[in-house]
Amino acid sequence: GESVGLHLPTLSVQEGDNSIINCAYSNSASDYFIWYKQESGKGPQFIIDIRSNMDKRQGQRVTVLLNKTVKHLSLQIAATQPGDSAVYFCAENMREVISNFGNEKLTFGTGTRLTIIP
Amino acid sequence: GAVVSQHPSWVICKSGTSVKIECRSLDFQATTMFWYRQFPKQSLMLMATSNEGSKATYEQGVEKDKFLINHASLTLSTLTVTSAHPEDSSFYICSVRGRGSYNSPLHFGNGTRLTVT
Repeated sequence: GESVGLHLPTLSVQEGDNSIINCAYSNSASDYFIWYKQESGKGPQFIIDIRSNMDKRQGQRVTVLLNKTVKHLSLQIAATQPGDSAVYFCAENMREVISNFGNEKLTFGTGTRLTIIP
Repeated sequence: GAVVSQHPSWVICKSGTSVKIECRSLDFQATTMFWYRQFPKQSLMLMATSNEGSKATYEQGVEKDKFLINHASLTLSTLTVTSAHPEDSSFYICSVRGRGSYNSPLHFGNGTRLTVT
């Protein structure tokens, strides 16, 4: 099956610097993408999302870029803080028709561990 | 505040016993709930999708008779791991989606750490 993958499994960034986490997706039918942050022992926490009709979206200290031509997604975190240390997952959403339900299937990438160095 | 409540947060059971994990939607009616499994240092893998009042749809390779899912109401879904074995030890996470909320982020519970001895 198709999957979402990440280029970098680990990333260390000096506190205060900007970080960029990359993600490649392979399913051209995906039309919605989400970045999640997961801290140890917890469930994923929503960071930012983007629909396929956009190529950039900004939040507070975070920006997501979508390049549909090369099926690439990135998460930029500005002015990183120690609390940003976590595993970051990209996820792609695709609608499926299953038993008359228009279900969406959210597929996660492999994850990148971001470590902020004080 | 939390949108999804998952219980218990951790459980240890003996091999051969069954364990039930609850997932509750606190703020809205969850027409669809998703169950994921996550092994250490790995990503989340979708196990099954359940719609309220209907049978769950399982992903390829997930045994429906072993992982029983009940989505009896719009606020509660349960996952029962039957005849658990050590290889079932994992982090189980549920997520919910409300009616008509396609292309909106899923809300996740804080997971249940299952250890089978």
